[in-house]
Amino acid sequence: GAGVSQSPSNKVTEKGKDVELRCDPISGHTALYWYRQSLGQGLEFLIYFQGNSAPDKSGLPSDRFSAERTGGSVSTLTIQRTQQEDSAVYLCASSPTSGKAGELFFGEGSRLTVL
Amino acid sequence: DAKTTQPNSMESNEEEPVHLPCNHSTISGTDYIHWYRQLPSQGPEYVIHGLTSNVNNRMASLAIAEDRKSSTLILHRATLRDAAVYYCILRSSSSGGSYIPTFGRGTSLIVHP
Repeated sequence: GAGVSQSPSNKVTEKGKDVELRCDPISGHTALYWYRQSLGQGLEFLIYFQGNSAPDKSGLPSDRFSAERTGGSVSTLTIQRTQQEDSAVYLCASSPTSGKAGELFFGEGSRLTVL
Repeated sequence: DAKTTQPNSMESNEEEPVHLPCNHSTISGTDYIHWYRQLPSQGPEYVIHGLTSNVNNRMASLAIAEDRKSSTLILHRATLRDAAVYYCILRSSSSGGSYIPTFGRGTSLIVHP
């Protein structure tokens, strides 16, 4: 497909389990962002990748959260020892540039429910 | 990034124009104004962006105040499909600044048939 693809679309897990969320950005897009959105809230920035530069991890809420981007393309967000407050929709976006006019293209999100 | 302020919600009737306001009084000279919208159960989608001049595209128009401290997204004829949360964000790239787009809670637009 031509858009940003995220998987799984829905994930239900038990408290304490680890989860991995995947993002396939649009081919050629150098910038990749992860956000999360709790019910009825705005988007909370998590992490940003730009090309081969070191990622901006300033939004990660705790050391249980990590992300990597392999080969400048696919990204995986990992949450270790999940907690109920991690329940949210995790959104990935890519952009052809990190510049100020660059449009963000979002995926449909991965809905995480921690029981 | 400079902060934006939007009303929590607005209502409109179908087929009528909608003006969605956004205040960004601390905007810097090189900040672009972007608008996104999020339909229920979907990721946000780009609507329009501008710097100083008013902009039009197939989805909407963007009117930017002369002092750039506010902007208005204009939907010329609202449809039921336009019911969504609309986000106004600034994209800053000043020296030492961040490229991270910051989304607030946006304006929830309700369209009545």
